[in-house]
Parts: sequence; C-alpha cells; structure tokens
Amino acid sequence: QVQLVQSGGEVKKPGASVKVSCKASGYSFTKYGINWVRQAPGQGLEWMGWVSSHNGNTDYAQRFQGRVTVTTDTSTRTVYMELRSLTSDDTAIYYCARTNSFAGNNRPWFSDYWGQGTLLIVSS
Amino acid sequence: DIQLTQSPSSLSASVGDRVTITCRASQTISGFLNWYQQIPGKAPKLLIYGTSTLQIGVPSRFSGSESGTDFTLTISSLQPEDFATYYCQQTYNSPDTFGQGTKLEIK
Repeated sequence: QVQLVQSGGEVKKPGASVKVSCKASGYSFTKYGINWVRQAPGQGLEWMGWVSSHNGNTDYAQRFQGRVTVTTDTSTRTVYMELRSLTSDDTAIYYCARTNSFAGNNRPWFSDYWGQGTLLIVSS
Repeated sequence: DIQLTQSPSSLSASVGDRVTITCRASQTISGFLNWYQQIPGKAPKLLIYGTSTLQIGVPSRFSGSESGTDFTLTISSLQPEDFATYYCQQTYNSPDTFGQGTKLEIK
C-alpha cells in the first residue's frame, strides 16, 4: 500500500535551518510528484512547493522562494524539504503529499496520499 | 494568486442532516478543484478531485458540483465521523491555494 513516512519532530532556534524527509513506498516513485504543505497551529493549509520525482523539477510558492529547497533521492525513494532562516512564524506541522496529475507529470493535480506530518517548533 | 473563499467558516449540524459547503474561486480554474477532510490531529484526507470525482473508498454520501467559479461539497446524510474541517484546493495555477476551511461541528 502507498505510504509516506516523514521524519520526526524538530525544535530549532530562530535563524537555523531544518531538513524534513519523506520516504515513499508502495508505488512507482518516479511517476508522481511530492507536494509540501504546512499548517500553523489552529490555522489552515498552506502550499509551500512541489518536486517532480521524475526529473527533479521544482515549483515553489513565491513567499518561500530563496528560503526553501525541495530535493528528491530516487535511490532511497526519499524527498527532502529544507527550510532556512527560521522564525517563530515557521512553527507548524509540515506535510508531504503525493501529487497525482490529471495529465502528464505536472499540474493540475490532487494529493491522494499524505505523510503523517512533522511538527517543527521554532523557539529561542 | 487564485483566491478560494469558503462559506460558511463554521457550521453546526446534526447526524442525518444534509450539508452544503461552498468554495468560490477568484477566477476560472477549469474544474480543477479538490476537497479534503481533516480530523483534528490527523493529516488531510482527499475526498473529491476534479470537482466531482470521488476518491476511492470515500462514501457516496459525499458529492461535488460546480457552477462557473462556484464549487459545492455536499454531504447527503451526516454521519458522526463526518464532523471535521473541510478544505477546498485549486491546482490549476501555481501556487496551489486552499480555502480557509469550514469547521463542521455537532449541533
């Protein structure tokens, strides 16, 4: 069965970086992309970016441009999301989610499987 | 960015009720509208994609429809496990955007 298993929770100080992993299993890894979505405490869902597991192409939300990098390692079927220059506003649960495209390997898509979430706390 | 406005923000209903949640897009998204359900402490779960296609395993009491840039999620007869927060999402244009959510509570 399809599974996305994320790395464990993190506590970071302001200004630090964090790298969250998402290990995929149960499907043909390179046929689907991976989205990263975050949710601040008590808030809604916010899309951060996407990576193609096929060719490594990425698309990031403008507000995270220059501060986030999403990479994929096909040998280990793992996707990584690195977020730099952390502030307390980055405290949130971070989810990876498989993107299933309506056509081809690009948008538009829907996220049919989600990881369990990784809690990041940024505090001095 | 394409804005999605959900209404209502919260809703109280009883088991067995018929419930409708609306999501209005700020511009055309050609039907590429998805719906998710989120139970507190859990990851979102895909309910419907492409306006009206039910994800495998989702009960048929859930349905989706479209009228122009207005999209609707309907639950025909609420069950206890349906009390959750619902989000719409468009992926037609980058960036993906979500509605602000509709919290469905037990009356």
